[in-house]
Amino acid sequence: GENVEQHPSTLSVQEGDSAVIKCTYSDSASNYFPWYKQELGKGPQLIIDIRSNVGEKKDQRIAVTLNKTAKHFSLHITETQPEDSAVYFCAASIFAGGTSYGKLTFGQGTILTVHP
Amino acid sequence: SAVISQKPSRDICQRGTSLTIQCQVDSQVTMMFWYRQQPGQSLTLIATANQGSEATYESGFVIDKFPISRPNLTFSTLTVSNMSPEDSSIYLCSVESYSSYEQYFGPGTRLTVT
Repeated sequence: GENVEQHPSTLSVQEGDSAVIKCTYSDSASNYFPWYKQELGKGPQLIIDIRSNVGEKKDQRIAVTLNKTAKHFSLHITETQPEDSAVYFCAASIFAGGTSYGKLTFGQGTILTVHP
Repeated sequence: SAVISQKPSRDICQRGTSLTIQCQVDSQVTMMFWYRQQPGQSLTLIATANQGSEATYESGFVIDKFPISRPNLTFSTLTVSNMSPEDSSIYLCSVESYSSYEQYFGPGTRLTVT
C-alpha cells in the first residue's frame, strides 16, 4: 500500500521567515495530495491541495509543489506568523474511480513553531 | 465546505465498556470515513462508512471491535467495543465533498480509557 514520509518532524522559525515541509510517497499511482493544519484540540483543517496534473499551486502565503518523477511534494509558507504555529500533515490518495478519491494516507506530521 | 459535528467531544471510560461516537454532517455526502489519531501521532484510517451496506475496514481493524453504522447520507456512528487503555485516542470523522472530492474533518472525539 501507499507510504508517505514527512520531514522534518519539528520546525522552528522566526516570524516573517519562510517554512518548508517535504513529503515523499511510494505509490506512483497517487494523484491527489492535500495538506492539513491541526491546531491543539481541533480536527485537521484542509489548507491546500494539489492534483497530479499540475506542478504548483498557490493560495496567498501558502504554496504546494509536486514533482511526480521524484514522487515528492512540498508545502511552502512565506512570511510566517505566530498563528501559523500548528501541526501540519501531508497526505496522498489515489482516485478510486467513479465518485471518490477514497482513503487518505497521512505523513507523520510536522510541528511548526513560529517565534514572534 | 461541509460542517461536521461529533458527539461526544470527549469521554473517560472504564476498560471493558463500549462507547458510541456520532458524526453528523450538514449536507448529503457520498463518502464518510473514520480515522484514529493516537496521542502525538498521525491519522490512521479505520474504515469507510458505506450508506446502506457494511463498512469497509482497513487492515488491522475489525468489525467486532469497531462496528460502524451509516443509516443515511448525513449521519454515521462508530462504536469502540470492549475498550482497553490502548484505545485511548482521538477518533475523527471525515467526509468527502461530492463536487470537489476534498475531504473535511470533524472536531474529533477524545477518548481516554482507564
